[in-house]
Amino acid sequence: GAVVSQHPSWVICKSGTSVKIECRSLDFQATTMFWYRQFPKQSLMLMATSNEGSKATYEQGVEKDKFLINHASLTLSTLTVTSAHPEDSSFYICSAKDGTYEQYFGPGTRLTVT
Amino acid sequence: QQPVQSPQAVILREGEDAVINCSSSKALYSVHWYRQKHGEAPVFLMILLKGGEQKGHDKISASFNEKKQQSSLYLTASQLSYSGTYFCGTETGGGGNKLTFGTGTQLKVEL
Repeated sequence: GAVVSQHPSWVICKSGTSVKIECRSLDFQATTMFWYRQFPKQSLMLMATSNEGSKATYEQGVEKDKFLINHASLTLSTLTVTSAHPEDSSFYICSAKDGTYEQYFGPGTRLTVT
Repeated sequence: QQPVQSPQAVILREGEDAVINCSSSKALYSVHWYRQKHGEAPVFLMILLKGGEQKGHDKISASFNEKKQQSSLYLTASQLSYSGTYFCGTETGGGGNKLTFGTGTQLKVEL
């Protein structure tokens, strides 16, 4: 089956610094990638939709200047959390579509901001 | 608006059956079901497309009632490995659209 990787698996950073998370489709070309955030014991909340070569579409309430998304190629999307604060601590998960109905999820990145 | 799942949580003994419901306030194009273990990414179970599909593999099946904007996931003869949180993801437009995930159902299977 299709495989999506994320890097890093976990990251601890200090308040005010920026963190970049990578999402890669390993064995298929992803026409669309999605970024989700999940707080403990809650559902996945879509942050943004990313299409290769175009600007990401952000969900209502998600600050586009704080969560920078770049989809530079058909196999790579990155999420940069700028000026991170403790309230940004969460589990960030990406998913990718190959043009079919299914979304393939990455293993997630746990961000802790101290 | 987030689809509502019921029940919120359920505890089963191994071998028992369970039904998880997903109800949306919007017209649905498709429903996706996922299981998530603690600290891990969701694992895909199945997709149901509009047209009133029913699907199943092994002891897990699902149905999709377009008119009622509802889907149900059926787990039969539950196993310990079925434990986790189940989410429905609903798509309200044509293919390529984003998923809105439901509120989640925590399932625990005990011996």
